[in-house]
Amino acid sequence: SYELTQPPSVSVSPGQTARITCSGDALPKKYAYWYQQKSGQAPVLVIYEDSKRPSGIPERFSGSSSGTMATLTISGAQVEDEADYYCYSTDSSGNHRGVFGGGTKLTVL
Amino acid sequence: QVQLVESGGGVVQPGGSLRLSCAASGFTFSSYGMHWVRQAPGKGLEWVAFIRYDGSNKYYADSVKGRFTISRDNSKNTLYLQMNSLRAEDTAVYYCAKDLRAVAGTPDAFDIWGQGTMVTVSS
Repeated sequence: SYELTQPPSVSVSPGQTARITCSGDALPKKYAYWYQQKSGQAPVLVIYEDSKRPSGIPERFSGSSSGTMATLTISGAQVEDEADYYCYSTDSSGNHRGVFGGGTKLTVL
Repeated sequence: QVQLVESGGGVVQPGGSLRLSCAASGFTFSSYGMHWVRQAPGKGLEWVAFIRYDGSNKYYADSVKGRFTISRDNSKNTLYLQMNSLRAEDTAVYYCAKDLRAVAGTPDAFDIWGQGTMVTVSS
């Protein structure tokens, strides 16, 4: 079955740039999406279609994708950005299934 | 505003059944595909199922195929998940989520989530 791979954790100091990667064989053909989940809350979409930012999401959040890797970048990370981040995409095999990465815990301190 | 509210969670014995509901408001429900996503305690997110905006196509994760059935009633703006033959590993918070694209025939991503309903499978 299709898998997306993320690092389990990333840690930065406030004001630094955080980068979270997501690798998957189908990413050259399928968009990547990124969700932020704070403790005890439902996930929130922060990046869609590789690099687009929904309204209301701060400009410090950006996304990119090249080959089999997508990257979420938080420029000037703030304490309130501390959360779990999940990449998501869809299977390109024709099964039409969604797939999440394992999630990355971002620590900002 | 756009809102999704899940209900129907609870404690059920292994092998039992449960039906979850998701009431939608604030958007044209009949124009959007809908998903169920779950999260086991302390674990990551898992996509569970998708139903096309008109209910004509449905897709499932391998882990639930043959046991779970997604359905919708566009006249009631409500999404359902019928869960049969439940196992301990089905214990999770279940979220319903609205697909990004209108009138899409296959699953995309989701932009709006409900707050979730907890399902516990235990004897």
